Amino acid sequence: GAVVSQHPSWVICKSGTSVKIECRSLDFQATTMFWYRQFPKQSLMLMATSNEGSKATYEQGVEKDKFLINHASLTLSTLTVTSAHPEDSSFYICSARDISQRPEFFGPGTRLTVL
Amino acid sequence: GENVEQHPSTLSVQEGDSAVIKCTYSDSASNYFPWYKQELGKGPQLIIDIRSNVGEKKDQRIAVTLNKTAKHFSLHITETQPEDSAVYFCAAGGAAGNKLTFGGGTRVLVKP
Repeated sequence: GAVVSQHPSWVICKSGTSVKIECRSLDFQATTMFWYRQFPKQSLMLMATSNEGSKATYEQGVEKDKFLINHASLTLSTLTVTSAHPEDSSFYICSARDISQRPEFFGPGTRLTVL
Repeated sequence: GENVEQHPSTLSVQEGDSAVIKCTYSDSASNYFPWYKQELGKGPQLIIDIRSNVGEKKDQRIAVTLNKTAKHFSLHITETQPEDSAVYFCAAGGAAGNKLTFGGGTRVLVKP
């Protein structure tokens, strides 16, 4: 149980385009989902927290207009990187937890490369 | 906010030996401490967690200890195997926003 999937697993796009990443909880209802960013050989940096049906809460320094998050259902959250630039290239990982609030399960990650 | 320090950053052990990773946290309100294992190119996988009302928890070769007074917790892996080679992250949660704050990670290499 407690499986979280992400799609796509990797994506390459041109600078200036937008990219959408999906995060799904496959066997539980995710009342809260998180989006992280991870650079090579570094730790996970929380970008935002989203609760189903509510606006996402962004961490300090994360541009909410650039990283659009939608958590429209209890099993799906999406992260859209708008007007992507090479510096947005990174490993994006989502996580989810149910109403019990613990523990937090992670998806397999999405590697974004912006040319 | 919460700050989690993790040591060592790299750890090399011989197969069969034990590995210990230590973390300290700053916010006394934190009450949940998970450990994740991350293999190259994959998402973190929860391997064990502990809550603040427990001092120790064990699951086969993995154990975690928590000292709330000193605000530190440790991961112990016994009888290490090559497949234990990965990056391990500690985290602390339960404080403001109920989100997790991660340590910097420990790269563990188990030599056959």
